[in-house]
Amino acid sequence: EPEVTQTPSHQVTQMGQEVILRCVPISNHLYFYWYRQILGQKVEFLVSFYNNEISEKSEIFDDQFSVERPDGSNFTLKIRSTKLEDSAMYFCASSEEQGGTEAFFGQGTRLTVV
Amino acid sequence: DAKTTQPTSMDCAEGRAANLPCNHSTISGNEYVYWYRQIHSQGPQYIIHGLKNNETNEMASLIITEDRKSSTLILPHATLRDTAVYYCIVIGHAGGTSYGKLTFGQGTILTVHP
Repeated sequence: EPEVTQTPSHQVTQMGQEVILRCVPISNHLYFYWYRQILGQKVEFLVSFYNNEISEKSEIFDDQFSVERPDGSNFTLKIRSTKLEDSAMYFCASSEEQGGTEAFFGQGTRLTVV
Repeated sequence: DAKTTQPTSMDCAEGRAANLPCNHSTISGNEYVYWYRQIHSQGPQYIIHGLKNNETNEMASLIITEDRKSSTLILPHATLRDTAVYYCIVIGHAGGTSYGKLTFGQGTILTVHP
């Protein structure tokens, strides 16, 4: 069964450092997403991406965040200058259609900012 | 997208049917009901979705009331591996393609016990 792959599974970084979280979506999918989940809290939408541009973003997705699909297979989330409150589980997802129609989620990257 | 209300938690005995309710009284005509689940901090997993007719797949059945103001997800023979947080999400569709982000609430914590 096709799956969304995320690397690394766990990343520890110092406050103020830049991190890049990587995702390989399912190959024939056209829409890509990042969500995050702070420990004990709800899963929160960050951004959706289609046709090489952001189609929607949340208030959380401020200037320190960026996304890229550099080579047609990887989908990355960059956090420019990490803060303690960025510590969370980050999930990548992809779907054939926009929105929730059978979105496939990866297993997540646990980001710990110290 | 319409707001949903779910019970905080439910228990179910292994092998019995688990019936998870969801209220979405403000749902509008072009909005679908989706169910996802999240097993112990893994990425959310799509289960099923429907508009107004009852739906069944290999994982579950979805019963939507005639007025579409509520629905029930049925896991016919729950197993210990079905212990998870179950999310009911309402998403708008336009022309057969869903739009908008997935907005996760707190969901229902289903515990399946031996």
